Amino acid sequence: GAVVSQHPSRVICKSGTSVKIECRSLDFQATTMFWYRQFPKKSLMLMATSNEGSKATYEQGVEKDKFLINHASLTLSTLTVTSAHPEDSSFYICSARSVGVLNSPLHFGNGTRLTVT
Amino acid sequence: AQSVTQLDSQVPVFEEAPVELRCNYSSSVSVYLFWYVQYPNQGLQLLLKYLSGSTLVKGINGFEAEFNKSQTSFHLRKPSVHISDTAEYFCAVSDQAGTALIFGKGTTLSVSS
Repeated sequence: GAVVSQHPSRVICKSGTSVKIECRSLDFQATTMFWYRQFPKKSLMLMATSNEGSKATYEQGVEKDKFLINHASLTLSTLTVTSAHPEDSSFYICSARSVGVLNSPLHFGNGTRLTVT
Repeated sequence: AQSVTQLDSQVPVFEEAPVELRCNYSSSVSVYLFWYVQYPNQGLQLLLKYLSGSTLVKGINGFEAEFNKSQTSFHLRKPSVHISDTAEYFCAVSDQAGTALIFGKGTTLSVSS
């Protein structure tokens, strides 16, 4: 089945530093990937839609300059949390949909636990 | 705009008992409906999906769900649960354009012996 790999699975960083999270579709191509954020005991909140070769589309309330998204190829999207603060600590999950597959479901990565100290 | 309401935040049940996790949706267009399961500190795994056709959808791990358009519901059921079914369950909706999923707040299923 389709696999989405997310790396790293856990990261701890100091306040003020930047962290990059990678999302790769291992056995399929994805023109569109989605980035979600999940707070403890909360649902997944869509942060942005990442489109290969173009700018990401951010949801209302998500800071574009803080959460930089780059979708440079059909198999890789990255989320960079810039100048991280403790309130950015969360579980970040990416997902991707196969190109050209009718009604293809979203495939999710295993998430990245970010802790900012 | 689409939205999903999961009516129960927590559902405790005993092993081998039946369970139903409720989900209602609202949408102004046709919908695709999904149920995902999440184990601690992991991503989401697709349990089942409704795109069209038969309103009774069977998924993995013995789960099934029924799409009810008149009641705008997509409840998840399992006739006999196991301890290993303990997890967070999310109902989600998307429109036919294949855009991002909109998730409900999740239901914690706790199965005890």
